[in-house]
Amino acid sequence: SQQGEEDPQALSIQEGENATMNCSYKTSINNLQWYRQNSGRGLVHLILIRSNEREKHSGRLRVTLDTSKKSSSLLITASRAADTASYFCATVNAGGTSYGKLTFGQGTILTVHP
Amino acid sequence: DAGVTQSPTHLIKTRGQQVTLRCSPKSGHDTVSWYQQALGQGPQFIFQYYEEEERQRGNFPDRFSGHQFPNYSSELNVNALLLGDSALYLCASSLDRSTGELFFGEGSRLTVL
Repeated sequence: SQQGEEDPQALSIQEGENATMNCSYKTSINNLQWYRQNSGRGLVHLILIRSNEREKHSGRLRVTLDTSKKSSSLLITASRAADTASYFCATVNAGGTSYGKLTFGQGTILTVHP
Repeated sequence: DAGVTQSPTHLIKTRGQQVTLRCSPKSGHDTVSWYQQALGQGPQFIFQYYEEEERQRGNFPDRFSGHQFPNYSSELNVNALLLGDSALYLCASSLDRSTGELFFGEGSRLTVL
């Protein structure tokens, strides 16, 4: 079963607007990551937030984590047409023996119209 | 610096056949993980290799097997293919002591007819 559930499943916005995607998960985590995927190609790591962090920024990206609610959000500010892609959250479970096993959600499809 | 490379990029097989997919990790990475991504779904963890051994395994039958070579490259083998095995197979590499950031290849698109 999927650990993460993204919301919304699809998001359509105009260039310059902000895009917010949410992710919920079920178990205790070590960290949560966000990845981007263009048209069924490989995934690209965007940002990682540890379980003891609440907010993190990277360029136009802002990630928040609420471990009490087991949820995270990804905000992309001033979106561009090139941001059009699928976005996935992925978790590394707490107490795991290895960090290579990620549990992915089903993703949010973001479309940014020029 | 070459990233993660996978081959082949596309392949078509028929039910019952066997397939081998290959992966070369990013330079300096010693751990390889394999994921299966069905259309419209998120990737699902198949297994992970480190020091030429399978270290973790997801919920996949033993028709799925793998190997890691001394140069850290890896193979994924799937026997007795089923229609449901049609998917994008993604290889990801990492440093064992890393926090879990994975570097993905472009994937191998398998179609089973």
